[in-house]
Amino acid sequence: DGGITQSPKYLFRKEGQNVTLSCEQNLNHDAMYWYRQDPGQGLRLIYYSQIVNDFQKGDIAEGYSVSREKKESFPLTVTSAQKNPTAFYLCASSVFGEQFFGPGTRLTVL
Amino acid sequence: DQQVKQNSPSLSVQEGRISILNCDYTNSMFDYFLWYKKYPAEGPTFLISISSIKDKNEDGRFTVFLNKSAKHLSLHIVPSQPGDSAVYFCAAKAGGGNKLTFGTGTQLKVEL
Repeated sequence: DGGITQSPKYLFRKEGQNVTLSCEQNLNHDAMYWYRQDPGQGLRLIYYSQIVNDFQKGDIAEGYSVSREKKESFPLTVTSAQKNPTAFYLCASSVFGEQFFGPGTRLTVL
Repeated sequence: DQQVKQNSPSLSVQEGRISILNCDYTNSMFDYFLWYKKYPAEGPTFLISISSIKDKNEDGRFTVFLNKSAKHLSLHIVPSQPGDSAVYFCAAKAGGGNKLTFGTGTQLKVEL
């Protein structure tokens, strides 16, 4: 049963703490992406990776970091430098243009 | 600079009627366009796509029209059903890459 999993579904963190969001795919896709969704702003690209051990900044990378050590995994770390981290985070993967999305993680900073 | 625009944040349609969702783009390098559907607290799911070499693509109740000269595309849903109520995102990509640029979405509500 192929797909993309994100964990946890809901995440709470205290201001000033780093937190890592998990994204795993078993679709054998080379490319993976992280987006952030805020009300009225659509999906904004944070980071993307076309291949293992390589990744590029998207439109809103400040305050975030990623790694791509395995094809299946693309974790996103939200650092304390991110000024407004409360949002819905979506991970996706793709092979030929069409992107497949995970269920998302709702991060709330208290 | 918003390269993909969905100027209608919301649309309300009666069940059985046609829903028309619109999308405009500014980047003439875009050559592939996609529509995604999203329910609250879930990831978007792919609906339908169209290449710039076509002006129409149809899949069941869903049809996408592309007008390259106007840099405009639209998604038609006929007939509309209550289960179609969701946010619809238009997305575009340029060249051989996989990176998508998304619009801000249109909330469709199909009423009984």
